[in-house]
Amino acid sequence: DIVLTQSPVLAVSLGQRATISCRASQSVSISSINLMHWYQQKPGQQPKLLIYRASNLASGIPARFSGSGSGTDFTLTIDPVQADDIAAYYCQQSRESNTFGAGTKLELK
Amino acid sequence: EVQLVESGGGLVKPGSSLKLSCVASGFTFSSYGMHWIRQAPKKGLEWIALIYYDSSNKYYADSVKGRFTISRDNSKNTLYLEMNSLRSEDTAMYYCAKGWVLGVMDAWGQGASVTVSS
Repeated sequence: DIVLTQSPVLAVSLGQRATISCRASQSVSISSINLMHWYQQKPGQQPKLLIYRASNLASGIPARFSGSGSGTDFTLTIDPVQADDIAAYYCQQSRESNTFGAGTKLELK
Repeated sequence: EVQLVESGGGLVKPGSSLKLSCVASGFTFSSYGMHWIRQAPKKGLEWIALIYYDSSNKYYADSVKGRFTISRDNSKNTLYLEMNSLRSEDTAMYYCAKGWVLGVMDAWGQGASVTVSS
């Protein structure tokens, strides 16, 4: 199974940049296609798709969200962080079956 | 607007069975694969099952293989998850999600709560 590792917590100030990382135990890329996706989950709500295939913004998602990476290392960036962005963020790979990272909780500093 | 509405959750005893439903609207249900994902209290997301648009293929996480069955009725725009031999560790919020290309889950329901306890 492909294991995805995320830092549990990231503290950030409003208006600053947040960089959330996700490392896979093996490559999740096929040719030039990176099968890594990002979701946001606010307390008491269902997850919402933010970024698909590493760097593509999902419909309706603000441009302050962006994604990058390939192979085993991926990053979700929020710049600038707004109060509404305080949530948990999960990476998910679909290279082999489907697995999620344990999530990164974005907190205010 | 895509909508997914789960139902059928509840409190059940270990060893019992339960069947969840997910009614879909706002898209052509019969054209998309569908997933079930669960989230134990205060824990992260765990993918548990996928069914292709035409039910031709079904995949399960090892944690539920042999106990859970995913199915769908395209005439009713409804996805199902039949859960047997339930254990305390199956206690979770269960979400259905619409599948998109290459494993992306682009819409999620609000979830159905399942508690397994004696």
